[in-house]
Amino acid sequence: EDQVTQSPEALRLQEGESSSLNCSYTVSGLRGLFWYRQDPGKGPEFLFTLYSAGEEKEKERLKATLTKKESFLHITAPKPEDSATYLCAVPQGGGYQKVTFGTGTKLQVIP
Amino acid sequence: NAGVTQTPKFQVLKTGQSMTLQCAQDMNHNSMYWYRQDPGMGLRLIYYSASEGTTDKGEVPNGYNVSRLNKREFSLRLESAAPSQTSVYFCASSQPGLPSSYNEQFFGPGTRLTVL
Repeated sequence: EDQVTQSPEALRLQEGESSSLNCSYTVSGLRGLFWYRQDPGKGPEFLFTLYSAGEEKEKERLKATLTKKESFLHITAPKPEDSATYLCAVPQGGGYQKVTFGTGTKLQVIP
Repeated sequence: NAGVTQTPKFQVLKTGQSMTLQCAQDMNHNSMYWYRQDPGMGLRLIYYSASEGTTDKGEVPNGYNVSRLNKREFSLRLESAAPSQTSVYFCASSQPGLPSSYNEQFFGPGTRLTVL
């Protein structure tokens, strides 16, 4: 079965200190990878979809990249409002309905 | 648009009691999902409905039943609640399409369920 592993489990950064979150996966024929953000007490919110190795997507201070075995979420000069849990997910089966989520990286950005 | 709504937001049950979690979406999506989220376990799919009139089991279906009432509504029922079902439950919807589209899921705010 497809597995999705995120690291680190938790990350504490000073405001302005750039870093990267990792999502590695074992899938037979990657058909895409999703990144979500989840704030405490709320449902996940979609950030990016990446479909092929080498693809990159950007949104404000976030940039997601994809290789054949892993994805990175780069956070440049983070602000306290970037504090959240970041989840990645990969589709299972032949379609895009069923996805397997990683357990997430909890990011805390300190002023 | 309200997006995905869930009721109730909080619920406390005693072991053996039953209850139904309600979910509705106003985005005209074909697919709907129920997940549970537990510390250290991530989001796990309970059941999903690819389209109106169909439902399929996910990773952790035991102890749950679902009903796709119409295109908008997808309910989750616990017939005899157990402490192991204490969790946060999320409903989601999506409009799966071609690889050129985002295929993202839209999540509701969650229901926090405690079974004593």
